[in-house]
Amino acid sequence: EIVLTQSPATLSLSPGERATLSCRASQSVRSYLAWYQQKPGQAPRLLIYDASSRATGIPARFSGSGSGTDFTLTISSLEPEDFAVYYCQQRYDWPLSFGGGTNVEIK
Amino acid sequence: EVQLVESGGGLVQPGGSLRLSCPASGFTFSSYAMSWVRQAPGRGLEWVSTISSSGVGTYYADSVKGRFTISRDNSKNTLYLQMNSLRAEDTAVYYCGIYIQTGSNEDYWGQGTLVTVSS
Repeated sequence: EIVLTQSPATLSLSPGERATLSCRASQSVRSYLAWYQQKPGQAPRLLIYDASSRATGIPARFSGSGSGTDFTLTISSLEPEDFAVYYCQQRYDWPLSFGGGTNVEIK
Repeated sequence: EVQLVESGGGLVQPGGSLRLSCPASGFTFSSYAMSWVRQAPGRGLEWVSTISSSGVGTYYADSVKGRFTISRDNSKNTLYLQMNSLRAEDTAVYYCGIYIQTGSNEDYWGQGTLVTVSS
């Protein structure tokens, strides 16, 4: 079973600042990694697939990088609507798994 | 417009059963693998199960293996999750959604249905 560890658990930042979120896999998942955003009471929303490809309609301030075991989601300049919880998910092997999430909160 | 609408959630006693349904519209249901993902109150996302587009392949989290059964009826464009021997720790909002391993930005999810397991 592949375990995904996200850090930090909470990121306190101000609008306009840069956010850097980390996701580390317990074994290589190649580039089969996705990032989701979730707001309270809503279903998750796909931001990034295949580690670095932006999903349809996702602003260019969101970018993903990495391969193997270490991945990063970067939000270049936080907008008010970006404060939410972010999850990584590996799609490399069964069982699929999510990381524990990073809560990006307003400082 | 793509729609996935989960139903069948509710309050059930420990040891009981529930069947969730997820009728789909607005896309070619039979072409997509489908998944169930859950979220316990105040907790993170947990993958539960995935079924291939044909229904032949099924995959489960260890936490539900042997108790939950995923299935689909492509003639009715509907995904199901039969949940037996329910436990308090199965209490969660259950979401259905498409599953694509790689190479696609498609992303369809339902609004979720709440399952509460309590006496």
